Amino acid sequence: SAVISQKPSRDICQRGTSLTIQCQVDSQVTMMFWYRQQPGQSLTLIATANQGSEATYESGFVIDKFPISRPNLTFSTLTVSNMSPEDSSIYLCSAPGMRNTEAFFGQGTRLTVV
Amino acid sequence: KQEVTQIPAALSVPEGENLVLNCSFTDSAIYNLQWFRQDPGKGLTSLLLIQSSQREQTSGRLNASLDKSSGRSTLYIAASQPGDSATYLCAVKTDSWGKLQFGAGTQVVVTP
Repeated sequence: SAVISQKPSRDICQRGTSLTIQCQVDSQVTMMFWYRQQPGQSLTLIATANQGSEATYESGFVIDKFPISRPNLTFSTLTVSNMSPEDSSIYLCSAPGMRNTEAFFGQGTRLTVV
Repeated sequence: KQEVTQIPAALSVPEGENLVLNCSFTDSAIYNLQWFRQDPGKGLTSLLLIQSSQREQTSGRLNASLDKSSGRSTLYIAASQPGDSATYLCAVKTDSWGKLQFGAGTQVVVTP
């Protein structure tokens, strides 16, 4: 299995500001994934982060709003920029375990924008 | 486009009853299917992983089946306990790198 540490676990932010979420994996992985879970809804993939190249964003998500860094094989950050109350969600990072089969998740970041 | 549906959306049972949770997907070209548990406001805990070539997986009181040709998976939880109360999510892996498509989840309440 993979152990994924994500921080902060929660934050309350003012609209118009930015928040950077960090995700650390206990093993080297090629791909890391960032998901958003809006209140009462399921998870939606924001982007796939590959070390050494730009992240690949899903339809409806753009780099200017959700810039992602992937400086090495165990770490990634997601920034939520110029926040509005609509960005209030749980943000989760994910990485595969050994043999790239099972997916593991961090404990999530609960973001509230006021 | 892959779509994943979970039925029912919510389920309440008395302690000791067996739970049956359903998951369906529209495109059978999946790499695997995974069941997760999510407690309120928390991250996801992996419960069971079924590879596309497998028919079922078991772990303790949990058993999951997969019928890829009909696009269905079922999670059985035997002898439910109040601690099983949570939201259960199924997800299919849609590419070789690990991209997942999630269902909306089934919210389970087990009453003492």
